[in-house]
Amino acid sequence: DTGVSQDPRHKITKRGQNVTFRCDPISEHNRLYWYRQTLGQGPEFLTYFQNEAQLEKSRLLSDRFSAERPKGSFSTLEIQRTEQGDSAMYLCASSLGRYSIPTGELFFGEGSRLTVL
Amino acid sequence: GESVGLHLPTLSVQEGDNSIINCAYSNSASDYFIWYKQESGKGPQFIIDIRSNMDKRQGQRVTVLLNKTVKHLSLQIAATQPGDSAVYFCAEGPILTGGGNKLTFGTGTQLKVEL
Repeated sequence: DTGVSQDPRHKITKRGQNVTFRCDPISEHNRLYWYRQTLGQGPEFLTYFQNEAQLEKSRLLSDRFSAERPKGSFSTLEIQRTEQGDSAMYLCASSLGRYSIPTGELFFGEGSRLTVL
Repeated sequence: GESVGLHLPTLSVQEGDNSIINCAYSNSASDYFIWYKQESGKGPQFIIDIRSNMDKRQGQRVTVLLNKTVKHLSLQIAATQPGDSAVYFCAEGPILTGGGNKLTFGTGTQLKVEL
C-alpha cells in the first residue's frame, strides 16, 4: 500500500501521560498536514509542513502539542500531559506541492484514534 | 469566525436514485471548494473540487454546483449505489502556492443508501 500510513491506529492512555503518533506520507509528497477530528464533526486543521519546515500552526495546537518532520519524510505528533479533551481521531494527510499541479487535493491516512481515560 | 456548514445531517435515498447533498459557506472570500467522502473507520477521500470561477464541474457520477450569490455548494451523485454510503464533507480553503491546501471542513452529512 503506497498511501498515507499512520501508527498506532488506536491508543488508550491515562490522563497526564504523553503520547506520540507517527505519519508516513506518500513518498513523493512534500507537504504534510495534521488534522483532528471528533465524533460527528469535520476534521480541524492543526498544522502543516512543507518538507521539514513547519509553516503554519492552528491556535488549536496548544503548547502541549508538538509536531516534527525532521527529514522532510515522516512526521510525529506528540501530545504531552494528555487531557480527556484530547480524545479524538488524529488524521495525517499529504499532498504534492508543485506549481505545475495546482490542486488542493489532500490524501488522508486512516487516522490514529486517541482515548484519554 | 468564518464557517462552512451543511443543511442536512442525514440523507436517505433508494439505490439507483440521485442524491443531492447541500452545503452553505459563510466566507465570501473563499475561492476553492472540495467534497470529501469518509467511510466508517477511514480517513476522508477526495471526490471532486471546484474553483470559484466556475459554477459547475462534473466527474464520474458526481457533479458539484457552486452558487456564489447565495454562498451555496452542492454535490450531486447519480445512480446512488450502496458503496456511496458514507459521511460527506464540504470543505473550503485557499490553494497554497504551488499546490496543496489548508482546509476548513463543514460538519458532514450522512448518506444512507437503502436497497
